[in-house]
Amino acid sequence: EVQLLDSGGGLVQPGGSLRLSCAASQFTFSSYAMSWVRQAPGKGLEWVSSISGTSGSTYYADSVKGRFTISRDNSKNTLYLQMDSLRAEDTAAYYCAKGQSGTYVLYSFDYWGQGTLVTVSS
Amino acid sequence: QLVLTQSPSASASLGASVKLTCTLSSGHSSYAIAWHQQQPEKGPRYLMKLNSDGSHSKGDGIPDRFSGSSSGTERYLTISSLRSEDEADYYCQTWGTGIQVFGGGTKLTVL
Repeated sequence: EVQLLDSGGGLVQPGGSLRLSCAASQFTFSSYAMSWVRQAPGKGLEWVSSISGTSGSTYYADSVKGRFTISRDNSKNTLYLQMDSLRAEDTAAYYCAKGQSGTYVLYSFDYWGQGTLVTVSS
Repeated sequence: QLVLTQSPSASASLGASVKLTCTLSSGHSSYAIAWHQQQPEKGPRYLMKLNSDGSHSKGDGIPDRFSGSSSGTERYLTISSLRSEDEADYYCQTWGTGIQVFGGGTKLTVL
């Protein structure tokens, strides 16, 4: 069974930084694109960023472009999200998600992590 | 602009069927979508990928009670023989050039 374990969330002050991790197992990690999706309290799902299996292509939502950086370490089967210049509106549960396609970066997600909560507040 | 529109809420009785709708923006009738379920206080769960021709592929362990269909820019999720555990938020998702998009979600109440 595919497993995605999100971690790294916490309380951070506005303007601060945080790095999220997603440990993957039970599939060939390097063959699939991975993504981050967030959900503000009481709100719907919002796509944040996606990365190809080889890290050759990355995509970002306009709301985080220039502040967040997605990366992966295929030797460790781990996905990362470096979040800088954090704002109150970045407060959300952050989920990693596995792309369903071994070919396309932007595609349906077929597995989700359990989420990690990020709170940006002074 | 690629947009997905969902009704905010729906309700149906235990044991009945319900059909949820996700509407693609004009000009995007060929796009596939995915349906995801989010039960209260849980992370999302993939239900199925639904193509424009109505063909669909379901996720692991998704029961036959869940099915999908398509018509023009509309994508449907039908849940039959409703159970209490089907009470959840349902999101559609699609993808385009450089972006992923989610609908606003439909909160399904099982009466």
